[in-house]
Amino acid sequence: DAKTTQPNSMESNEEEPVHLPCNHSTISGTDYIHWYRQLPSQGPEYVIHGLTSNVNNRMASLAIAEDRKSSTLILHRATLRDAAVYYCILRVPVAAGNKLTFGGGTRVLVKP
Amino acid sequence: DAGVTQSPTHLIKTRGQQVTLRCSPKSGHDTVSWYQQALGQGPQFIFQYYEEEERQRGNFPDRFSGHQYPNYSSELNVNALLLGDSALYLCASSWGDRDGMNTEAFFGQGTRLTVV
Repeated sequence: DAKTTQPNSMESNEEEPVHLPCNHSTISGTDYIHWYRQLPSQGPEYVIHGLTSNVNNRMASLAIAEDRKSSTLILHRATLRDAAVYYCILRVPVAAGNKLTFGGGTRVLVKP
Repeated sequence: DAGVTQSPTHLIKTRGQQVTLRCSPKSGHDTVSWYQQALGQGPQFIFQYYEEEERQRGNFPDRFSGHQYPNYSSELNVNALLLGDSALYLCASSWGDRDGMNTEAFFGQGTRLTVV
C-alpha cells in the first residue's frame, strides 16, 4: 500500500489558519489523495479529496504539489471544533480494493 | 438521512466468546467496509463487502468474518475472542462503482468492544 507521512501533532490558535502537510512520495498516477478527520469519541469524517488540482470546499482547501508527492490541508480559520486527528490517505483503485489505509494522522490542538 | 448506523454502541464479552456487530449503510450506498481501531491508533482495514461478496480483506485472521445482505446492511462476526480484540469497530459505506476512489466514505460512530 502506498504510504503517507504526517507530523504527529500541531498546535494552532483559534481563528488562525492551519496548514497540515502530508508526504506521499510513492503515490501512483491513479491514486486519489483523501483527508479525513476524527473528533474525540466519533468515527472518521470526510474532509476533502483531490487528484491533481487544488480543491476547495466548505470545510477546507487541499493544495497538491505539482509532482503529487506531497499535499497540504488548509483550515482557513481554526475553531475549537476543529480539534481532531487528521488523516491523509491515498485511495487506490477498486481493482486494488478501494480501501482506506490510515496512518497515525496529525493531532491538531486549537488554543482559544 | 440517518447516515451510517451501527449497533450496539458498546459491548462487553468474555474471552473465547463470539460477537456479531451490525451496520446499516447510508441510504443509496452499496459498499460496506469494516475497520478496527485500537486505542491511540488509526483505523485498520478488516474487509469490504460489495454485492454481498467479500471484495478485499486486510491482514486479519479467519476468526473475523462478515456478511452483506441484499439491502446492503452488513454484519461483522468475531469468533474465539481474544483480549487483543478489544477495540472500536467502525463501519464505512460508499459507492462501489469502478471509480470508487473518487468518492467519499461515510463512517458510523462505531461499536466499542471490550473483551475481558
